[in-house]
Amino acid sequence: SQTIHQWPATLVQPVGSPLSLECTVEGTSNPNLYWYRQAAGRGLQLLFYSVGIGQISSEVPQNLSASRPQDRQFILSSKKLLLSDSGFYLCAWSHHPGTSVTGELFFGEGSRLTVL
Amino acid sequence: AQSVSQHNHHVILSEAASLELGCNYSYGGTVNLFWYVQYPGQHLQLLLKYFSGDPLVKGIKGFEAEFIKSKFSFNLRKPSVQWSDTAEYFCAVNAPSGTSYDKVIFGPGTSLSVIP
Repeated sequence: SQTIHQWPATLVQPVGSPLSLECTVEGTSNPNLYWYRQAAGRGLQLLFYSVGIGQISSEVPQNLSASRPQDRQFILSSKKLLLSDSGFYLCAWSHHPGTSVTGELFFGEGSRLTVL
Repeated sequence: AQSVSQHNHHVILSEAASLELGCNYSYGGTVNLFWYVQYPGQHLQLLLKYFSGDPLVKGIKGFEAEFIKSKFSFNLRKPSVQWSDTAEYFCAVNAPSGTSYDKVIFGPGTSLSVIP
């Protein structure tokens, strides 16, 4: 069966420090991968998605970047964190389009980032 | 642009009351529809989904949802709620585009509190 792991679960960082959140998927190949940010009362905002190794698309201009160095690894980064980067970040995967099931997302446990 | 709205931000019910959470989306083409649930302290998980066929779909834990294409709606229902249904509920829509990416748009969420 497929599993998704995301870490760290919580992170407290000072303003201006770098960030690296990691997400890995097991039990499937060539998944679509996503980074969302969840804010209270605002649902889930899509930040980045990837359809393959090295292929990253950004949905919202911001202080963050994403990379996909391996098929089942997705990393969210920042060189210098801002206070506004605080939030709850969710990694998710879905089957690649063309399979029988599309659009259904499988989420990680989330990472709570607090920037001080 | 695609968007998803949910009628209620916060709903409070007593146990055994009936539940209906509204969801409307804006997209003129074929869509896949989802309800996700996030129980306190847990990760997002799929409650039910509609891809095609019978517009009345049944999910886990006694939930069901009805897709009404003419109203662009996908309301979630449960005849009798339990305290354990206390959670945040998210409606989501995916519009298959035939490309390599399936974009999933989430509504802002409805927080349900069930009073014993």
